Amino acid sequence: KQEVTQIPAALSVPEGENLVLNCSFTDSAIYNLQWFRQDPGKGLTSLLLIQSSQREQTSGRLNASLDKSSGRSTLYIAASQPGDSATYLCAVENNTDKLIFGTGTRLQVFP
Amino acid sequence: DAGVTQSPTHLIKTRGQQVTLRCSPKSGHDTVSWYQQALGQGPQFIFQYYEEEERQRGNFPDRFSGHQFPNYSSELNVNALLLGDSALYLCASRWGRGPEAFFGQGTRLTVV
Repeated sequence: KQEVTQIPAALSVPEGENLVLNCSFTDSAIYNLQWFRQDPGKGLTSLLLIQSSQREQTSGRLNASLDKSSGRSTLYIAASQPGDSATYLCAVENNTDKLIFGTGTRLQVFP
Repeated sequence: DAGVTQSPTHLIKTRGQQVTLRCSPKSGHDTVSWYQQALGQGPQFIFQYYEEEERQRGNFPDRFSGHQFPNYSSELNVNALLLGDSALYLCASRWGRGPEAFFGQGTRLTVV
C-alpha cells in the first residue's frame, strides 16, 4: 500500500531564505508526482508535476526533483517571500488514476 | 477558462440529513474525482467518474455516492450524515488519463 510522508510538518523561516521541503513514498512504481499549494480553507493549486520519466521540473522560484529509486522528492523554494506562506502537499499517483497525498508541510515566511 | 468550480462553498447540515455537492470540471476535462480532506490531513480519494460511470472507488462507505452528467459535471451525495463527515470536499478534473489533476476551491461541509 502506497504511503506518502512529508517532512517537516511545519516550518517557519525569515523572508529571503532558500528552503527545501521533503516528500517520501513507499512504493517506487509511481506514474507521476505532483506538488500542490493550499491556502487556509481553500482548494489546491498545482505547482509542479513530475512524470515518472523525469528527474525535475522548474517553475519560477520553485524546483522539484524526483528520485524514484529512493522514493523521494524535494521541493526547493528560492528566496522565500511572505506570500509563499501556505501548506504544501505532495501527491503520488500509481497506475490507478488516484492521487495519494501526504499530510503536508505548513510553511510560514515572516518579514 | 473558469477552471474547476464547486458549489456551494460552505454548507451546514444536521446529523442524519443528506447533502449534494456539485462540481464543474475545467474546460475540456472529462474525468472527475472527489476527495475528502479532514482538518490537518491530506485529501483522501473518494471516487472517480469517467464517461458517466464510476471508474474506481476509495475506502468510503456506500453512504457516499456520485453521478456524472453528459456535460462531465458531477455531484457527490452523502446520506445519513455523521459528525465525522465534516470536512473540506474537493473536486479534481483531468482530461482522460492525463497526468495533471486540477482542483476546485472545495466545499466546506459542517455537520452539527
